[in-house]
Amino acid sequence: AQSVAQPEDQVNVAEGNPLTVKCTYSVSGNPYLFWYVQYPNRGLQFLLKYITGDNLVKGSYGFEAEFNKSQTSFHLKKPSALVSDSALYFCAVRDWGRDDKIIFGKGTRLHILP
Amino acid sequence: KAGVTQTPRYLIKTRGQQVTLSCSPISGHRSVSWYQQTPGQGLQFLFEYFSETQRNKGNFPGRFSGRQFSNSRSEMNVSTLELGDSALYLCASSLGQSNTEAFFGQGTRLTVV
Repeated sequence: AQSVAQPEDQVNVAEGNPLTVKCTYSVSGNPYLFWYVQYPNRGLQFLLKYITGDNLVKGSYGFEAEFNKSQTSFHLKKPSALVSDSALYFCAVRDWGRDDKIIFGKGTRLHILP
Repeated sequence: KAGVTQTPRYLIKTRGQQVTLSCSPISGHRSVSWYQQTPGQGLQFLFEYFSETQRNKGNFPGRFSGRQFSNSRSEMNVSTLELGDSALYLCASSLGQSNTEAFFGQGTRLTVV
């Protein structure tokens, strides 16, 4: 069965510094990988996805993520953090070869310090 | 174009009652998935419907059920409510193919007292 792990419950970064939110996954076949962001009292908003091709994926709001097949990771990154990036971030995986449901990690709360 | 609409936004129910939540997907989307979000457990997958058929189901008791109508709108029902059912219930719609992202509604906050 597929699974997603976000090893950090919370990440603190100073404004202007680069940020990384970690995600590792486990699937039987090939993964489709997603990142979502959730602001307080809101649903999840799609940021970016990896389907195939280039391992570096660019998404909304200046975020990008790097797919690493050997390490089964899909870390979210941004070169320069903004205070407005403070939110809850979810990594998700779908094993397209075996099961269509999307499984989410438990989320990482990102705090950008002014 | 309109996003995913969930109604109601907030709900307070008493233990033992039942509740029905509604989700209207984005026009043209045929897949609707439901998730339960709690602080301790994150997002837990409940079920997914595609063209009125349940395509996937998570590990929830039979008290949790759902259905999808011909216009792709979906309802989720929880019977014999328990205090532990208090959560944010999120609905997500997508075109249905594996490589397409899901779009979420704002959720229904259910409180069981």
